[in-house]
Amino acid sequence: QKEVEQNSGPLSVPEGAIASLNCTYSDRVSQSFFWYRQYSGKSPELIMSIYSNGDKEDGRFTAQLNKASQYVSLLIRDSQPSDSATYLCAVDNNAGNMLTFGGGTRLMVKP
Amino acid sequence: ETGVTQTPRHLVMGMTNKKSLKCEQHLGHNAMYWYKQSAKKPLELMFVYSLEERVENNSVPSRFSPECPNSSHLFLHLHTLQPEDSALYLCASSQDGRGDYGYTFGSGTRLTVV
Repeated sequence: QKEVEQNSGPLSVPEGAIASLNCTYSDRVSQSFFWYRQYSGKSPELIMSIYSNGDKEDGRFTAQLNKASQYVSLLIRDSQPSDSATYLCAVDNNAGNMLTFGGGTRLMVKP
Repeated sequence: ETGVTQTPRHLVMGMTNKKSLKCEQHLGHNAMYWYKQSAKKPLELMFVYSLEERVENNSVPSRFSPECPNSSHLFLHLHTLQPEDSALYLCASSQDGRGDYGYTFGSGTRLTVV
C-alpha cells in the first residue's frame, strides 16, 4: 500500500470553477500535512500547510484535514489557468523528521 | 542570494563520468535533503542530513555519494551512473530537521545519463 495516495489526473475544470484535490495517507500518527504546487519543469513550491482537523483558508485556497479518515484535501476557488500545475500532497512520518510525497494530481484549468 | 540554490541546472554525463551536484541554502535551516523525481513517479527521498550528520539513507545505490560539509551546503557526488538514473534531482532544506514546517526546495538539477 502506498503511504500517500493521490489520483494522478488530469483533473480538468473550467476557469472560475472550484477545483478539489484529494489525498489519503496510511500513517495514523502523522501530524503535519502540506500541499505543494509544481509547474512543469520547475521545483515544488509550498502553498498550504495544515496541522489540525478542519479547514484552513488562505486566499483562494482551502485545505481540509480529517485525521480519523486519514484524508486531506485542497480546494481552489475561482480557478485560473495559472493554477494549472501538478499538486503534491506531503505528510510527515511518525518520527516527524521527513516528508513522504504522493505522486501528485495534475490540474488543468481551461479558459 | 536567497532560498535554496542548486547547480548546475542541467547536466549530461556519460556512464563512466564523475560529476557532482551542489546545493546551498541561505535560510538558516539545519537540515538538508536530496530527492529524486523521475517521470510519473512520486518524489523519492534519497538522503537526509540534520546538523551535518546523515540521518537517513533510503537504500540508495553507492554510485550516489552525499557530502554535507556544513549546514548550508550539500553535495551529491555521482559516478558510474546508469541511464535509469536520469531524473530531476531536488535539494531541500528545513528548520530543525523536522517536516513540521515543510521544506523549501531548490530549482533542481535535470540529469541525463547517456
